[in-house]
Amino acid sequence: AQSVTQLGSHVSVSEGALVLLRCNYSSSVPPYLFWYVQYPNQGLQLLLKYTTGATLVKGINGFEAEFKKSETSFHLTKPSAHMSDAAEYFCAVSGTSGTYKYIFGTGTRLKVLA
Amino acid sequence: EPEVTQTPSHQVTQMGQEVILRCVPISNHLYFYWYRQILGQKVEFLVSFYNNEISEKSEIFDDQFSVERPDGSNFTLKIRSTKLEDSAMYFCASSRTGTYNEQFFGPGTRLTVL
Repeated sequence: AQSVTQLGSHVSVSEGALVLLRCNYSSSVPPYLFWYVQYPNQGLQLLLKYTTGATLVKGINGFEAEFKKSETSFHLTKPSAHMSDAAEYFCAVSGTSGTYKYIFGTGTRLKVLA
Repeated sequence: EPEVTQTPSHQVTQMGQEVILRCVPISNHLYFYWYRQILGQKVEFLVSFYNNEISEKSEIFDDQFSVERPDGSNFTLKIRSTKLEDSAMYFCASSRTGTYNEQFFGPGTRLTVL
């Protein structure tokens, strides 16, 4: 069975500060990992994904995440927050064969303070 | 850029009524999914569909739910007799393949059951 835990349902950072959103996963098979962003009243937009290969993954809007198997983590970071980053962020895991459904975390709402 | 579209954006219905939510996946995609997000909660998998049949469904997807790809382009979710607890945002998603499984999400249909 697979699961995702996102620590911190709400995170506030100052504009220009580092953004760190935490995601830990549990999976009995090598996972595929994703970060999605949801702006108010909009759908889910893919930020980045890890499937195989390089463990540091770069995504859109300056975000990146590092897959750490030993820590079962896939934390999302951005060096400098922008006001437009305010949104809800979801980490998701899926299997590599047999099942392709996403299991989502509970989400982290990011607030960026001026 | 191709995108997943969903109609309607908002549907209000009375308890016990049937509703059909419509989705047009990306044209060369072969895998289709429905997820739902109850207000303030995480996104939950409902069902996946491939080769004109359900490939996986969650425990939420009971006999009240059905999916169909009636004409090779649309992908529909039908709820036969809506309950208050069916009120949620319903997201359709599609992916080109099952592996390396990036799912593209539509903007969602907000279903309100009164």
